[in-house]
Amino acid sequence: AQSVTQLDSQVPVFEEAPVELRCNYSSSVSVYLFWYVQYPNQGLQLLLKYLSGSTLVKGINGFEAEFNKSQTSFHLRKPSVHISDTAEYFCAVSKNNQGGKLIFGQGTELSVKP
Amino acid sequence: DTAVSQTPKYLVTQMGNDKSIKCEQNLGHDTMYWYKQDSKKFLKIMFSYNNKELIINETVPNRFSPKSPDKAHLNLHINSLELGDSAVYFCASSQPPGLGLETQYFGPGTRLLVL
Repeated sequence: AQSVTQLDSQVPVFEEAPVELRCNYSSSVSVYLFWYVQYPNQGLQLLLKYLSGSTLVKGINGFEAEFNKSQTSFHLRKPSVHISDTAEYFCAVSKNNQGGKLIFGQGTELSVKP
Repeated sequence: DTAVSQTPKYLVTQMGNDKSIKCEQNLGHDTMYWYKQDSKKFLKIMFSYNNKELIINETVPNRFSPKSPDKAHLNLHINSLELGDSAVYFCASSQPPGLGLETQYFGPGTRLLVL
C-alpha cells in the first residue's frame, strides 16, 4: 500500500533563512508527486509537481523539490523564506491506476519568524 | 474567475440534520473529487467521479451520498449528521487520471460544524 510520511510536523525558521520540508513515500510502482500549500482558513494551492522528466522541479513562490527515486523522497526547499510563507505544507502522491486518488502526508506547519 | 467553487463556505448545524454541500468547476475537467480534512488537518479522499460516473468510494459511511448532475458539478449530501462529521470538506477537479495530466485543483473548502 502507498503511504506518505512528512518527517517534521512543525518547522520554525527565521525570515530569509533556507528551509527544507521532508517527504518520503512508499510505493512499489511509479508515482506522481505533488506539494500543496494551505494558508490559514484557505484551500489547497499547488506549489509544484513531478510527473516525469527532470528530477529537479521548480514551483511557484521560489520553491523547488527534488525527486530521488532511490531514497523515495521528494523534499521541498526554498533558499530564503518570507513571513508570507507561513502555512501548512502537504506532500501527496498518486498512481495512474488508482483513479487519480491523492494520498496525503500528515502536513508540515512552516512558521517563519521575523 | 473562480476555478473550483464550493457553497456554503461555513455550515453550522445540529446532530441528526441532513445537509448538502455544492461544488462547481469551470476548468472543463472530467474528474471531480471530495476530500475530508479532520481537526488534525489530515486529508483523505472520500469520492471521485469521472464524467458523472463514480470511480472511487473510500469506505465512507453510506450517510454520505455524492451526486454529479453534470461534469461541472459534484455535490455532497450528508444524512443524519454526527458530531464526528465536523471537518473541512474540499472539492477538487482534474483531467481524467491516466493521462499524466491529473493535477488536482482544489476549492476553498466548506467548514462543517455539527453541534
